[in-house]
Amino acid sequence: EIVLTQSPDTLSLSPGQRATLSCRASQSVRNNDLAWYAQIPGRAPRLLIYGASRRAAGIPDRFSGSGSGTAFSLTISTLEPEDFAVYYCQQYGSSPWTFGQGTKVEIK
Amino acid sequence: QLQLIQSGPEVKKTGSSVKVSCKASGGIFSRFGINWVRQAPGQGLEWMGGTIPVFGSTYYAEKFQDRVTITADKSTNTSFLEMNSLTSEDTATYFCARDGSGWTGWFDSWGQGTLVTVSS
Repeated sequence: EIVLTQSPDTLSLSPGQRATLSCRASQSVRNNDLAWYAQIPGRAPRLLIYGASRRAAGIPDRFSGSGSGTAFSLTISTLEPEDFAVYYCQQYGSSPWTFGQGTKVEIK
Repeated sequence: QLQLIQSGPEVKKTGSSVKVSCKASGGIFSRFGINWVRQAPGQGLEWMGGTIPVFGSTYYAEKFQDRVTITADKSTNTSFLEMNSLTSEDTATYFCARDGSGWTGWFDSWGQGTLVTVSS
């Protein structure tokens, strides 16, 4: 199965700053079938990005995804208070579909 | 707007079984895959498997293939996750999630989660 490793584990930033999260795959992700989710503790995950770079419906344009093959990233251009959460990448190019361990974006 | 409403928390004994439900309302159900993802306390997300109700087809992660059954009732727009031979390692929140486009693997709608606690 494909193992996804996210970095850093924790990102401490202030509102208004830019956040860049990384997701590396143990092997190439077929068709760049990679998604990003945000999860606030105690809540369900929310889809942000699919197909590595396509924003899901209703997701603001401060969120962008990029990358291909084994290296992907999620950028939040200007952090809003509601963006402080745990972010997960997920590959769905090969079964079993797998998630990274998560990156926590916390308020500095 | 699709909503997925899951059944309430469960407390189970080691070795027993649990069945969790996920009812869809306000959107398309049968033509989109319904998946199940679990999250142990303080841990990450783990895909367990899913079903496409209109076809009656089901797919499982190999890890869960022998202990998990996922079904769907098209008449009530409800999917079910049943897991047997529970151990403490199955203590987790179980989410249902709808596939974003048929059966592609990304999930655009999620249930609120069902906490299953397993103890001896």
